[in-house]
Amino acid sequence: GQNIDQPTEMTATEGAIVQINCTYQTSGFNGLFWYQQHAGEAPTFLSYNVLDGLEEKGRFSSFLSRSKGYSYLLLKELQMKDSASYLCAVMDSNYQLIWGAGTKLIIKP
Amino acid sequence: GAVVSQHPSWVICKSGTSVKIECRSLDFQATTMFWYRQFPKQSLMLMATSNEGSKATYEQGVEKDKFLINHASLTLSTLTVTSAHPEDSSFYICSARAGGGDTGELFFGEGSRLTVL
Repeated sequence: GQNIDQPTEMTATEGAIVQINCTYQTSGFNGLFWYQQHAGEAPTFLSYNVLDGLEEKGRFSSFLSRSKGYSYLLLKELQMKDSASYLCAVMDSNYQLIWGAGTKLIIKP
Repeated sequence: GAVVSQHPSWVICKSGTSVKIECRSLDFQATTMFWYRQFPKQSLMLMATSNEGSKATYEQGVEKDKFLINHASLTLSTLTVTSAHPEDSSFYICSARAGGGDTGELFFGEGSRLTVL
């Protein structure tokens, strides 16, 4: 079956760095997405990786290793507003998005 | 970036009534839109794929007669929850992919929170 694994919850300190991991097993691969979702709101797009390596976008970076079925989202200089759930999603061979359950990130002062 | 608008944001209704939720792509055409529901502290669950000009494709376990989807134009898809019951209370979210094709960024509407009394 298809499976996306990511930690349920993480806690980090304001100003620090946090890495949220995502491992996947899917039928084919057409890219991996990271989304941010604040409580009660719809997800917003953060990043898209389809090739191996690191994609940097401001304070957020996303890494992909297709051979390992692994990705991570790196958040630097954490701010209180970064407290949210972070969803990992993989597009399979049928171009369907398979969603992880999300990682709730708690930022403490 | 592309904008997807969803309406209404909140709706409270009595059990047995029907509720319609609209999803519009404001600055791009979307031949395909997706409808999700999300229960508290759970991930998105794809309900159906809405195809412009044709019938929607429903995921296994989703009742097509209960969740009616209409994609009448390239910028509008609607989800109607018919004869709603308290167990239908959930957060319903639509999304659309800009740029055509099967890949690329997926934009989400703001979501609609349905509460059935």
